[in-house]
Amino acid sequence: DSGVTQTPKHLITATGQRVTLRCSPRSGDLSVYWYQQSLDQGLQFLIQYYNGEERAKGNILERFSAQQFPDLHSELNLSSLELGDSALYFCASSPTGRLDTQYFGPGTRLTVL
Amino acid sequence: AQSVSQHNHHVILSEAASLELGCNYSYGGTVNLFWYVQYPGQHLQLLLKYFSGDPLVKGIKGFEAEFIKSKFSFNLRKPSVQWSDTAEYFCAVNAMDRDDKIIFGKGTRLHILP
Repeated sequence: DSGVTQTPKHLITATGQRVTLRCSPRSGDLSVYWYQQSLDQGLQFLIQYYNGEERAKGNILERFSAQQFPDLHSELNLSSLELGDSALYFCASSPTGRLDTQYFGPGTRLTVL
Repeated sequence: AQSVSQHNHHVILSEAASLELGCNYSYGGTVNLFWYVQYPGQHLQLLLKYFSGDPLVKGIKGFEAEFIKSKFSFNLRKPSVQWSDTAEYFCAVNAMDRDDKIIFGKGTRLHILP
């Protein structure tokens, strides 16, 4: 158990819908990272938040957005869902804003039908 | 653009065999390097990392990796694998003087035959 929690574990929805994925970092960790893992693209970095502020941006689509709240939990919002958005979404946390060891959560498996 | 290549997508070995998984990256500046492992049904976890110093890094469970700057490589090794090493292994690179983005390789699925 890494100490990072993600909810829900599984999510099944239809194209065009909007979903919200939630991540709680390890106690004391200030950075949260979001990743998308799919068979064809592998593990892709989406976005990083540090202490409530966006810190780095990766291959995140405009239909996707994220935020980190004052209690440091984070949400990833995916809208206008397409079939190709079906993937495993991981959250990771680390203590500081600088990249160091990341602790990964168990992931949310999103299926878009 | 930075990229990370893991040449072996799927490796099958017998127990006690030696393992070497390749990882090459494309960035000429200073890098932090990582190997993560994902056991079946579990989350990703750090095996080892290189930030600076001795280019031969030892990690958990008997794994080690060697950073060869001239070859832009960070290959993962283990002298004698066990059935419990069956997992997916990811190499990752962070270009330090650029930003805090981390680029992962596509992973290598390792299957150890008992």
